[in-house]
Amino acid sequence: EDQVTQSPEALRLQEGESSSLNCSYTVSGLRGLFWYRQDPGKGPEFLFTLYSAGEEKEKERLKATLTKKESFLHITAPKPEDSATYLCAVQEYSGYALNFGKGTSLLVTP
Amino acid sequence: ETGVTQTPRHLVMGMTNKKSLKCEQHLGHNAMYWYKQSAKKPLELMFVYNFKEQTENNSVPSRFSPECPNSSHLFLHLHTLQPEDSALYLCASSQVLQGSYNEQFFGPGTRLTVL
Repeated sequence: EDQVTQSPEALRLQEGESSSLNCSYTVSGLRGLFWYRQDPGKGPEFLFTLYSAGEEKEKERLKATLTKKESFLHITAPKPEDSATYLCAVQEYSGYALNFGKGTSLLVTP
Repeated sequence: ETGVTQTPRHLVMGMTNKKSLKCEQHLGHNAMYWYKQSAKKPLELMFVYNFKEQTENNSVPSRFSPECPNSSHLFLHLHTLQPEDSALYLCASSQVLQGSYNEQFFGPGTRLTVL
């Protein structure tokens, strides 16, 4: 069973059309939840770390939130340059690994 | 150079070849990682080095052999690979503080094709 499930797999938005990406997780003890952005042919770029339920972080048009079972990445008034794959990963207290979801591929059209 | 660098960026090799991937981090971190990224699959952790000591090996086949000579450099030695090993190989680094592994910073990856 996957520890991290991201939805939707793909999302197409018009420029300026706000939406949210979902990351649901099942771990016994969450040390941290991480959001990354990955452009084609490049390595993931770190965006946010969230540690506890209720925590929120913002960066430009992106806002990440965390509950005990899921995290949302809200994208407000997106621009074409926000097009990328967004990856979610969780880290448990019991290990060192980041367990990644399969990602959401976002396309923002002008 | 800044961040995490990887060379080569692209590699094509036959199944009988031996090659090495190189990673260097310029962030002053003390932990380094190798990940494999295949199409339609999540990133898979392969190896973890903390203070140059290998602390995790996620059941990776022996045809992949890591080496970490110091906290800034990480290698992945490849030999007798299979076509299914074709993937993007990503290196990452992070700062470990009192057992807490914080956010990881990734290099651009090496696109490996095994013929």
